[in-house]
Amino acid sequence: ETGVTQSPTHLIKTRGQQVTLRCSSQSGHNTVSWYQQALGQGPQFIFQYYREEENGRGNFPPRFSGLQFPNYSSELNVNALELDDSALYLCASLSQTGGYTFGSGTRLTVV
Amino acid sequence: AQSVTQLDSQVPVFEEAPVELRCNYSSSVSVYLFWYVQYPNQGLQLLLKYLSGSTLVKGINGFEAEFNKSQTSFHLRKPSVHISDTAEYFCAVSEKTSYDKVIFGPGTSLSVIP
Repeated sequence: ETGVTQSPTHLIKTRGQQVTLRCSSQSGHNTVSWYQQALGQGPQFIFQYYREEENGRGNFPPRFSGLQFPNYSSELNVNALELDDSALYLCASLSQTGGYTFGSGTRLTVV
Repeated sequence: AQSVTQLDSQVPVFEEAPVELRCNYSSSVSVYLFWYVQYPNQGLQLLLKYLSGSTLVKGINGFEAEFNKSQTSFHLRKPSVHISDTAEYFCAVSEKTSYDKVIFGPGTSLSVIP
């Protein structure tokens, strides 16, 4: 089992820019979810992908979008960055026995 | 829609003392329940989960939790904590009809005092 890896680990962007965060999930895990964790808060569900299609979305605007690829990797894209987008972004793949395996996250800072 | 409440935002406890971290949930349907731990600057690690069966669930690092359906609670316990247990703990819930969409509570910061 290879785990979930995310890149980059840290990122600084300017307000208004666009960013792409990447995740490589465990082989055979068809479901991947993305979460936003603001400082001092619990993770908030952004969206979920199953077999390359979005099949669930939290309360996030359309400028948050994603992709999932056949090789179990996925991307989170955020357009028109705002200061409040500064957070830890977590990718998680769903275990076949229930429960997610999380990556270590990407710390995004918007200045 | 489901929601999770963690009643204590911070819990200080002395080393080797017992600890209980409280979690209550709200849902109109049957749920799965989880506890995750997050160490500083890291992602979340699954401590334990309740899917069905026995309401007492044992997890890693000596933690256990008990599902109480009537009180809609899933409190986390450890009989004797160590310094290394200092971390943020998150209770989470998902509906059995869509167990892949997990909703997290706000977290409880456990500080173990030497």
